[in-house]
Amino acid sequence: GQQVMQIPQYQHVQEGEDFTTYCNSSTTLSNIQWYKQRPGGHPVFLIQLVKSGEVKKQKRLTFQFGEAKKNSSLHITATQTTDVGTYFCAGPKAAGNKLTFGGGTRVLVKP
Amino acid sequence: GAGVSQTPSNKVTEKGKYVELRCDPISGHTALYWYRQSLGQGPEFLIYFQGTGAADDSGLPNDRFFAVRPEGSVSTLKIQRTERGDSAVYLCASSFPEGQLYEQYFGPGTRLTVT
Repeated sequence: GQQVMQIPQYQHVQEGEDFTTYCNSSTTLSNIQWYKQRPGGHPVFLIQLVKSGEVKKQKRLTFQFGEAKKNSSLHITATQTTDVGTYFCAGPKAAGNKLTFGGGTRVLVKP
Repeated sequence: GAGVSQTPSNKVTEKGKYVELRCDPISGHTALYWYRQSLGQGPEFLIYFQGTGAADDSGLPNDRFFAVRPEGSVSTLKIQRTERGDSAVYLCASSFPEGQLYEQYFGPGTRLTVT
């Protein structure tokens, strides 16, 4: 079945530094979504990418969808303590709306 | 407006008991999803409703799990003969009715603990 993998599993970042987290799917995706889950909270939608090679920016966050539509990345610049949380990528299965989530990247920020 | 709500927020039950978890989706969202999230993992799909019918229940782990949505709004996830391995956070999400291109809005979840 479809698998979605994320690396790294943990990301310790010094406040002010940049980092990138990666998402890889075993199958081609029609679109990919990114969610953020704060500690003790629930997943909150960040963005959706649909087109091959698409790049979208939200302030300090840059999201990219790979040319083959099997991978994606999230790059955060000038990390802040508010960036703490787990970032999940998720893609729909071949049929239907159900999402397959990756295992997430847990981001910890050192002030 | 109001988001997705779930009740109870926490449920502790003994092994072998029956539990019901409730989800109130965002008004106007006809698509409703149940996920289960274990500690340190991503949400795992359980079942998806489009309106009143279960469009996809392939994620339900076994026949002890069942979900209904009789009027196309509120949904109830039912677990019979609970086992310790059922302990997890059960998340409900809803979205606009059509296609794959809609974000899902998650509720706060119900933390189920089976002792």
